[in-house]
Amino acid sequence: NAGVTQTPKFRILKIGQSMTLQCTQDMNHNYMYWYRQDPGMGLKLIYYSVGAGITDKGEVPNGYNVSRSTTEDFPLRLELAAPSQTSVYFCASSLSSGPYGYTFGSGTRLTVV
Amino acid sequence: DAKTTQPPSMDCAEGRAANLPCNHSTISGNEYVYWYRQIHSQGPQYIIHGLKNNETNEMASLIITEDRKSSTLILPHATLRDTAVYYCIVRVGEYGGSQGNLIFGKGTKLSVKP
Repeated sequence: NAGVTQTPKFRILKIGQSMTLQCTQDMNHNYMYWYRQDPGMGLKLIYYSVGAGITDKGEVPNGYNVSRSTTEDFPLRLELAAPSQTSVYFCASSLSSGPYGYTFGSGTRLTVV
Repeated sequence: DAKTTQPPSMDCAEGRAANLPCNHSTISGNEYVYWYRQIHSQGPQYIIHGLKNNETNEMASLIITEDRKSSTLILPHATLRDTAVYYCIVRVGEYGGSQGNLIFGKGTKLSVKP
């Protein structure tokens, strides 16, 4: 099993550009999450999904959009990139509601210049 | 906001036990204590979780006080590869919607020294 796979690993964007961060998991997990981590800080939740077709906002959703058309995939869309979105982005998944641990991907390091 | 309090940093000698404390004085009866670690900007790694009984797995032991207001993560024989930021998080066990979301604080930076 690959677990949670994120692509790309690194990206540099110019201000105003858009991009999609890809996340896919092969564990048949229902729940998926996007977090961002700024330097020296803990992770902050951007969006989450409890199943295909269902998404909801986390703590810091502004400037981002998500979709969940399949159980496996949970892409994160950045529209009109801003320097404040320079961060490391982590995708995670968990089996379902219940006392289960999360599995995280290795992250996407994004720089907006 | 995170519902836990952890020291910002700790040191441990290689081969010794690392004991990482966590205070969660407002924990509810249905909330579990979870521990994750993050090694040098990699994705966080799940370590262990517990409700009220002590737990042990191949990575660590979790000791939860009887009143559940604090806990300690124990790495029995720390190695240099255990150098990481360790996060203590409380979360409900059975949940719907946003209740299940993990809220990360700043954690404890553990430095294992030779």
